[in-house]
Amino acid sequence: GAGVSQTPSNKVTEKGKYVELRCDPISGHTALYWYRQSLGQGPEFLIYFQGTGAADDSGLPNDRFFAVRPEGSVSTLKIQRTERGDSAVYLCASSLTGGLNEQFFGPGTRLTVL
Amino acid sequence: GENVEQHPSTLSVQEGDSAVIKCTYSDSASNYFPWYKQELGKRPQLIIDIRSNVGEKKDQRIAVTLNKTAKHFSLHITETQPEDSAVYFCAAGGGNQFYFGTGTSLTVIP
Repeated sequence: GAGVSQTPSNKVTEKGKYVELRCDPISGHTALYWYRQSLGQGPEFLIYFQGTGAADDSGLPNDRFFAVRPEGSVSTLKIQRTERGDSAVYLCASSLTGGLNEQFFGPGTRLTVL
Repeated sequence: GENVEQHPSTLSVQEGDSAVIKCTYSDSASNYFPWYKQELGKRPQLIIDIRSNVGEKKDQRIAVTLNKTAKHFSLHITETQPEDSAVYFCAAGGGNQFYFGTGTSLTVIP
């Protein structure tokens, strides 16, 4: 079946602008994670959804970052007033029920803030 | 929170030799330890995982060992092949959060 998909694959924006990154998880997966990966680093946890609710948003770096998953499927990561330091690859992963289950990653969105 | 350290950062081996990558973690509550392989420009893919009630797990040429007392776990790849060349990440978690190591760039020299 279809894997996790993310759009756009690349996003270039100017400092101060607002961006939205979309994630389509594997159908039926209730758990969804957002990560940020900088060059040469491992994925950094941002937020975890179980169904429609954000079960853990402790990884969001500040209040410019926000994520939603209104119907328990597609999720959108929103970044306000982007800064150059936000440039990274944003990865989404889904898992059947979360916890000790395998996470399947999407291809990521490469965000560049000029 | 959890802190995962991974060594070495780079590793070169001759084809056919073994490769070992080691990770340590800090949170004793972590109970799930996956290993991911990431090729350049691609998404991370799970290659093997281990849960805290198991000390060792093997899948063909890949094995993972876990020492909960010492809070460390290792990835072992035997009979390495050029297609094993990639960046490998360990991770620790099991609740809501997962923490990844900084990665090991493995190069298998033909």
